[in-house]
Amino acid sequence: GAGVSQTPSNKVTEKGKYVELRCDPISGHTALYWYRQSLGQGPEFLIYFQGTGAADDSGLPNDRFFAVRPEGSVSTLKIQRTERGDSAVYLCASSPRGDSTDTQYFGPGTRLTVL
Amino acid sequence: AQSVAQPEDQVNVAEGNPLTVKCTYSVSGNPYLFWYVQYPNRGLQFLLKYITGDNLVKGSYGFEAEFNKSQTSFHLKKPSALVSDSALYFCAVRDLWGRQLTFGSGTQLTVLP
Repeated sequence: GAGVSQTPSNKVTEKGKYVELRCDPISGHTALYWYRQSLGQGPEFLIYFQGTGAADDSGLPNDRFFAVRPEGSVSTLKIQRTERGDSAVYLCASSPRGDSTDTQYFGPGTRLTVL
Repeated sequence: AQSVAQPEDQVNVAEGNPLTVKCTYSVSGNPYLFWYVQYPNRGLQFLLKYITGDNLVKGSYGFEAEFNKSQTSFHLKKPSALVSDSALYFCAVRDLWGRQLTFGSGTQLTVLP
């Protein structure tokens, strides 16, 4: 079946602009996660949704970052007033139940470049 | 706080030889451990996980990993490496209560023909 999809695959923006990154999880998966991967590093957790609600947003770096999942499926990560330090690959993952033993399945990522 | 260490940034091995990619972890309570592989310009692909039971876990593409509680390690292994195994490998850990994965910094595996 279809895996996790993310759009756009690449996004170039200017400092100070607003961007939205979209994630389509695997159909039927209740849990959805956002991670950020900087060059040469492992992914770092940003936020986790169980259904429509953000169950854990402790990884969001500041209030410029916000994410929604209004219908419990597609999620959008929103970044306001982008800074050059926001440049990274943003990865989305989904899992069937969201419990500790679940496997997270990752999308291909969105590469964000802030000029 | 939980953490993962991958002590080798780069591992080189000749095709046909066994390979090992090292991982050690720190977590409160029992760990749930995962290995993922990342090919260039692609997302992370799940290889295998340890939840409980047998310490030797078998996964995709002939990979296996051995959980060692006393050494807090979860090394990835394959008996005979292929050139196509060349990629970036990540170890990750999660505890009983958390839902987020904590990743290591990754190990670049190069299999030489």
